[in-house]
Amino acid sequence: GAGVSQSPRYKVTKRGQDVTLRCDPISSHATLYWYQQALGQGPEFLTYFNYEAQPDKSGLPSDRFSAERPEGSISTLTIQRTEQRDSAMYRCASSQQGTAGELFFGEGSRLTVL
Amino acid sequence: LAKTTQPISMDSYEGQEVNITCSHNNIATNDYITWYQQFPSQGPRFIIQGYKTKVTNEVASLFIPADRKSSTLSLPRVSLSDTAVYYCLVGVVNYGQNFVFGPGTRLSVLP
Repeated sequence: GAGVSQSPRYKVTKRGQDVTLRCDPISSHATLYWYQQALGQGPEFLTYFNYEAQPDKSGLPSDRFSAERPEGSISTLTIQRTEQRDSAMYRCASSQQGTAGELFFGEGSRLTVL
Repeated sequence: LAKTTQPISMDSYEGQEVNITCSHNNIATNDYITWYQQFPSQGPRFIIQGYKTKVTNEVASLFIPADRKSSTLSLPRVSLSDTAVYYCLVGVVNYGQNFVFGPGTRLSVLP
């Protein structure tokens, strides 16, 4: 697509429920990133993909968090057994292969866990 | 990964030039320096990127001294719409990596 698209834009869920967030990157971009951003804070790295490979998932807060990108394009971030502390904006970004840091961000998915 | 340090906040007035300095003492030889701007309720947006000396585009200038241990983002004649958070990142040309955002610099432009 023309830009990075994320869905849903807003998600309200109850504690203990599972949620899945989706990211559709710019079509020519090999690399896809997931960030978590709390209000008033900078984006915190969660994980990234090069095509379908996931070289680094060191930023995932716990084993309740997982991400995949099975065909090297669309990615999903799943949070199992959500907790109130998971409430945040989740941002996806993509970049071309071989760039040094020009990330294109989507509008984000705001998750609220009640 | 090189860690960056920036001022937490800055105030300026409309029409003034604003310079935001970022320290990155452990920058590696192949690292580039990239600045992002983030408005409330939006994702970060790329502003400018450089490796050494000076880079200028239609939005800003980036000054990088010879030792590359710091960089300065310069915004000429700021307006109220430049009120945002500005992030400095360093990273290597590679097949993707975990780019780390710090807390950024919150710039407030006053009338």
